[in-house]
Amino acid sequence: DTGVSQDPRHKITKRGQNVTFRCDPISEHNRLYWYRQTLGQGPEFLTYFQNEAQLEKSRLLSDRFSAERPKGSFSTLEIQRTEQGDSAMYLCASSPRQGFPLSYEQYFGPGTRLTVT
Amino acid sequence: DAKTTQPTSMDCAEGRAANLPCNHSTISGNEYVYWYRQIHSQGPQYIIHGLKNNETNEMASLIITEDRKSSTLILPHATLRDTAVYYCIVAYTGTASKLTFGTGTRLQVTL
Repeated sequence: DTGVSQDPRHKITKRGQNVTFRCDPISEHNRLYWYRQTLGQGPEFLTYFQNEAQLEKSRLLSDRFSAERPKGSFSTLEIQRTEQGDSAMYLCASSPRQGFPLSYEQYFGPGTRLTVT
Repeated sequence: DAKTTQPTSMDCAEGRAANLPCNHSTISGNEYVYWYRQIHSQGPQYIIHGLKNNETNEMASLIITEDRKSSTLILPHATLRDTAVYYCIVAYTGTASKLTFGTGTRLQVTL
C-alpha cells in the first residue's frame, strides 16, 4: 500500500504527558499537512510543510505543539504537557502537485486518535 | 476563502442518484469548488473539483451553476459504501495551504 500512513493509530495518555505522532506521506509528495478533528466537526488545519520548510501554522497550534519534517519525507507532530482538550483525531495529508494553479487534491492518512485522560 | 452552506443530512436509496447541494454565494473568480468525503473512522477522501465547467470522473459529477454561487455533487448510483460525510470546500489555488472544512452533509444510503 503506497498511501499516507500514520503511527500510532490510537494513543491513550495521561494529562501532562508528552506524545509524538508520525506521518509518512506518499512517496515524492513534497507537500504535507496536519489537521485536527474533534467529534462532529470537520478537520481543522494545523500546519503545512513544503519539503522540509514549515510554511504555515494555524493559531490552533499553541506553544505546546511542534511539528517537524527534517528531511522532507516523514513528519512528526509532538504535543507537550497534554491537556484533555487535546483529545481528537490528528490527520496527516500529502499533496503531489506543483506549479500553478496549485491543487487542493490532498491524500489523507487514517489518522491518530488521541485520548487524554 | 469563501464560506459554504450545506444541508446537515440527506438520505438516498441504494441505486438511486444522490444529489448533494452546496451554496457558495461569496465565491470569487479564482476560487475552485472541491468536494471531499469522509467515511466513518477514515481520513477524508478527495472526490472532485472544478472552477466553472461541469466535471465528471469515475466517482462523481460536479455541476456548477453559471453564476458559480452554488454547485451540486452527483453520485449517479449510490451504494451503501457511499454513506459518509460530504464536504464542499471553496479554495483559492494561488497558495498551497489549508483546506477549510465545514461540518458537511451526512449522506445515509439505505436499502
